[in-house]
Amino acid sequence: KAGVTQTPRYLIKTRGQQVTLSCSPISGHRSVSWYQQTPGQGLQFLFEYFSETQRNKGNFPGRFSGRQFSNSRSEMNVSTLELGDSALYLCASSLGVPQNNEQFFGPGTRLTVL
Amino acid sequence: KNEVEQSPQNLTAQEGEFITINCSYSVGISALHWLQQHPGGGIVSLFMLSSGKKKHGRLIATINIQEKHSSLHITASHPRDSAVYICAVRIQGGSEKLVFGKGTKLTVNP
Repeated sequence: KAGVTQTPRYLIKTRGQQVTLSCSPISGHRSVSWYQQTPGQGLQFLFEYFSETQRNKGNFPGRFSGRQFSNSRSEMNVSTLELGDSALYLCASSLGVPQNNEQFFGPGTRLTVL
Repeated sequence: KNEVEQSPQNLTAQEGEFITINCSYSVGISALHWLQQHPGGGIVSLFMLSSGKKKHGRLIATINIQEKHSSLHITASHPRDSAVYICAVRIQGGSEKLVFGKGTKLTVNP
């Protein structure tokens, strides 16, 4: 069974641009969560989706948004990029809601904002 | 103060040593996770605990809900265990979001 895939793996953008990251969960998994990892703040929770519905959202500004499609694939979008958005963005999928199920992480997308 | 504190921040051991990484938290939780992150970023979920103790190979995780404390033990450590180990707690009630510790960087020398 294929693992969680994230595209692209690396991305370089400039301040003010917007970016869309994609996450394909393990086949059959209905939940996708997104996390941001920076050297200063460590791992921080961004969003959690289950069956196309956003169930939880972390403490991030409205520039960060996401969605989940009917095939469980998920995208997150960051608009008006800032230097501080440079980070590793990880998604994780689980069979059901992550509160009760093990999460499987993707390799991450490393975003650099210049 | 962070809701999740890990100690030590860095740990260097010799191959074969018994290793303990600690995690303390200050909030009510529904579950605690131990994650492993290798250089390059990939994260693997090692354990999900809500009580007691779990064992997988050379890894053992324990949790004491009353004391709000968890430990991850590695027996007979090996250089391939070198990684960052991250404790994360799922906050009980409300959003039930996952909150992470800063991680413990483990280096096991041959």
